[in-house]
Amino acid sequence: EMQLVESGGGLVQPGGSLRLSCAASGFTFGRYWMTWVRQAPGKGLEWVANIKQDGSEKYYVDSVEGRFTISRDNAKNSLYLQMNSLRAEDTAVYYCARDRGDMDVWGKGTTVAVAS
Amino acid sequence: SYALTQPPSVSVSPGQSARITCSGDALPKKYVHWYQQKSGQAPVLVIFEDNKRPSGIPERFSGSSSGTVATLTVSGAQVEDEADYFCYSTDNSNTWVFGGGTTVTVL
Repeated sequence: EMQLVESGGGLVQPGGSLRLSCAASGFTFGRYWMTWVRQAPGKGLEWVANIKQDGSEKYYVDSVEGRFTISRDNAKNSLYLQMNSLRAEDTAVYYCARDRGDMDVWGKGTTVAVAS
Repeated sequence: SYALTQPPSVSVSPGQSARITCSGDALPKKYVHWYQQKSGQAPVLVIFEDNKRPSGIPERFSGSSSGTVATLTVSGAQVEDEADYFCYSTDNSNTWVFGGGTTVTVL
């Protein structure tokens, strides 16, 4: 069974940092682009960032460019999102997803709350 | 920045067809994908590449695209189809966007 499990969310103060992880199983992780998507409370889905199979290409939504870094370790079947200089508006559930152009496999999400 | 526009809500009676539109300037050249999200759950892909249905998705879900408008149709909508639906696409700028979402009510 294909599965993605996110972890690393929590409560952090404005300006702080968090590192999210996404553990993949049940498919050949290194063959796929991977994506982070977030959803603020009561709001819609927002594409955050994606990364190519070998990590050579990375793209970000404007609102996180320069603050967030997406990375992956294919040997560990893991995807990461390093989030720095966090703001209240980054508060959301963060999902990782397998990316074929569409996103066909999703995790259940991890919650990030930015508040003092 | 690129935007996809959806109606905020659609309401139908059980057995009727629910049609959700998604408008975007790049849709004539780019695929659109559709996601269903039920309350408190992760999104689920219900249509990819405009009109393809993943395995396990009921046949009552279908998609089409013409010009700058894509449409998700739920034929014979059932109570369990109540959810938020999001379209997803790109304008070829290496960034991707979701539509604002449409809440489908079946009552």
